[in-house]
Amino acid sequence: EVDLVESGGGLVQPGRSLRLSCAASGFNFQDYAMHWVRQLPGKGLEWVSGISWNGAHIEYGDSVKGRFTISRDNAKNSLYLQMNSLRTEDTAFYYCAKDLTMVRGLGIFDIWGHGTLVTVSS
Amino acid sequence: DTQLTQSPSTLSASVGDRVTITCRASQSISSWLAWYQQKPGKAPKFLISRASNLQSGVPSRFSGSGSGTDFSLTINSLQPDDFATYYCQQYNSSPYTFGQGTKLEIK
Repeated sequence: EVDLVESGGGLVQPGRSLRLSCAASGFNFQDYAMHWVRQLPGKGLEWVSGISWNGAHIEYGDSVKGRFTISRDNAKNSLYLQMNSLRTEDTAFYYCAKDLTMVRGLGIFDIWGHGTLVTVSS
Repeated sequence: DTQLTQSPSTLSASVGDRVTITCRASQSISSWLAWYQQKPGKAPKFLISRASNLQSGVPSRFSGSGSGTDFSLTINSLQPDDFATYYCQQYNSSPYTFGQGTKLEIK
């Protein structure tokens, strides 16, 4: 069964850092682009970042560019999001999502993790 | 960035009804549009790609249409399990953006 499990969320002060992880299983992780998507509590969805199958192609949303870094370890079937200089407006549920297509990806999210809550507050 | 505007924001309907949710893009996105369903406390579920391609396992009462800037999601004969929030999302260009969501409520 295909599954994505996020971890690493929690309460952090503004300006501090946090690293999210996503463990993948049930599919050939190394073949697919992967993404992070976030959702403010009770609000809509915002794409955060995406990475191609081999990490060669990376993109970020405007609100996190320069502060967040996406990476992956195909040997460990894992996706990561390093979040620096956190702001109160980064408070959200963060979902790991698999792209529908292989290699570079199209930006379609066919499998989602369960989400991990990041709360940025003093 | 491409903005997506969904309407209505909230839709009240009864079991058995046929409902339509619309999604308008701020610029042409060809057919590069997906639809998702989200229930409270759960992750979104992928329903439709390329405006009208139903994902495997999604009931045939769901259908999508449109191209360019105007799209719609139709649900025929609403079932109790369909009451949820629906989002459209464009993948024509990065940053990939979502509509603000349409909450489908039981009347």
